[in-house]
Amino acid sequence: QLQLQESGPGLVKPSETLSLTCTVSGGSISSSSYYWGWIRQPPGKGLEWIGSIYYSGSTYYNPSLKSRVTISVDTSKNQFSLKLSSVTAADTAVYYCARQVGDMVRGPTLGDYWGQGTLVTVSS
Amino acid sequence: DIQMTQSPSSLSASVGDRVTITCQASQDISNYLNWYQQKPGKAPKLLIYDASNLETGVPSRFSGSGSGTDFTFTISSLQPEDIATYYCQQYDNLVTFGQGTRLEIK
Repeated sequence: QLQLQESGPGLVKPSETLSLTCTVSGGSISSSSYYWGWIRQPPGKGLEWIGSIYYSGSTYYNPSLKSRVTISVDTSKNQFSLKLSSVTAADTAVYYCARQVGDMVRGPTLGDYWGQGTLVTVSS
Repeated sequence: DIQMTQSPSSLSASVGDRVTITCQASQDISNYLNWYQQKPGKAPKLLIYDASNLETGVPSRFSGSGSGTDFTFTISSLQPEDIATYYCQQYDNLVTFGQGTRLEIK
């Protein structure tokens, strides 16, 4: 059974960089049939897609966050990571990682496996 | 950017009721539309993909239809365990979620 687990600091100071890692177990991150994505949800609000990465390193980003986001993949560790720079209180959210069906032609489509989510609070 | 507009934003219904949620895309997205269920404190769960295909293991009371810009999600007979927030999501151009519909039991 595929499992995804987010990890990283739960508290980040304003203007600093938020860093999270998603560890994938029960399957390979190097599959050609999937993207690996980050989605966030501010408290009491809806879902926002942040971006996705293919095992080869090809990425798609949400245009509204693109200037601050970097997603990377480490196939040797079966992990992918999120960095969000210059954070403010508006970046406080539960951050989810997810497996997204897709390929180099189609891009990410649907999220079929999700991590449990991790709350990141931006505060001094 | 493609915007997704869901309605209603909240809904109260009785057990056994037929429930319908709509999702409108700001431009033609063909059938590149998925529906998710999210219960409090949990990650979203995929219910419907490609507008009308039921994900494996999802009860048949859930269904989806539509193409182009207008889509519908239906629960044929509401059950107590269906209390959740439901989201549509397009993938024709990048990924965008609707704002969600909170479903409550009357």
